[in-house]
Amino acid sequence: AQSVTQLDSQVPVFEEAPVELRCNYSSSVSVYLFWYVQYPNQGLQLLLKYLSGSTLVKGINGFEAEFNKSQTSFHLRKPSVHISDTAEYFCAVSGYSSASKIIFGSGTRLSIRP
Amino acid sequence: NAGVTQTPKFRVLKTGQSMTLLCAQDMNHEYMYWYRQDPGMGLRLIHYSVGEGTTAKGEVPDGYNVSRLKKQNFLLGLESAAPSQTSVYFCASSYPGTGVGYEQYFGPGTRLTVT
Repeated sequence: AQSVTQLDSQVPVFEEAPVELRCNYSSSVSVYLFWYVQYPNQGLQLLLKYLSGSTLVKGINGFEAEFNKSQTSFHLRKPSVHISDTAEYFCAVSGYSSASKIIFGSGTRLSIRP
Repeated sequence: NAGVTQTPKFRVLKTGQSMTLLCAQDMNHEYMYWYRQDPGMGLRLIHYSVGEGTTAKGEVPDGYNVSRLKKQNFLLGLESAAPSQTSVYFCASSYPGTGVGYEQYFGPGTRLTVT
């Protein structure tokens, strides 16, 4: 079974500042990792995903994440945030098996201050 | 391509009333899911389906029933609504495979209030 922990429930940052949203996972098997974003009053949409290969994954809107197997982490970063990045961000993990489900973290609310 | 749609978008129920939430997807996905989202708790899986005619319990199935009579539709039923079921409900679908990595596509959500 897998689990995922998002270490920060809220992250306030100033516009144009860099941001890192932290995610750690636990699993006894190899995993797929995801970051989803939820804008206010909307459903979730995929930001980026790690399946295999390069540990640095680039997603939409200038976000990227790095898979670190030894630290079981998948932190999300953006070098310069914009007001429009205000949203809730969910880290998620799934195993490789066909019966696998995605396990979501509790979310990190990113608020951007002008 | 509409993706994943949910009906209705909002609903207010009185305790003890019943209702059905409809989810439809036009991507020919095999897997479909129902989640509830509550503040500070992320998304919790209620029920899911790995194909037409099959359903399975998720993390928080009590008080809910589901049906998947057609591949493109996944219904979530509340037989006797309780205030604890006040939540935002999301439907999602996915086409499993190593190339896709179980990426899920989400609907816009249904906001349900039980008074």
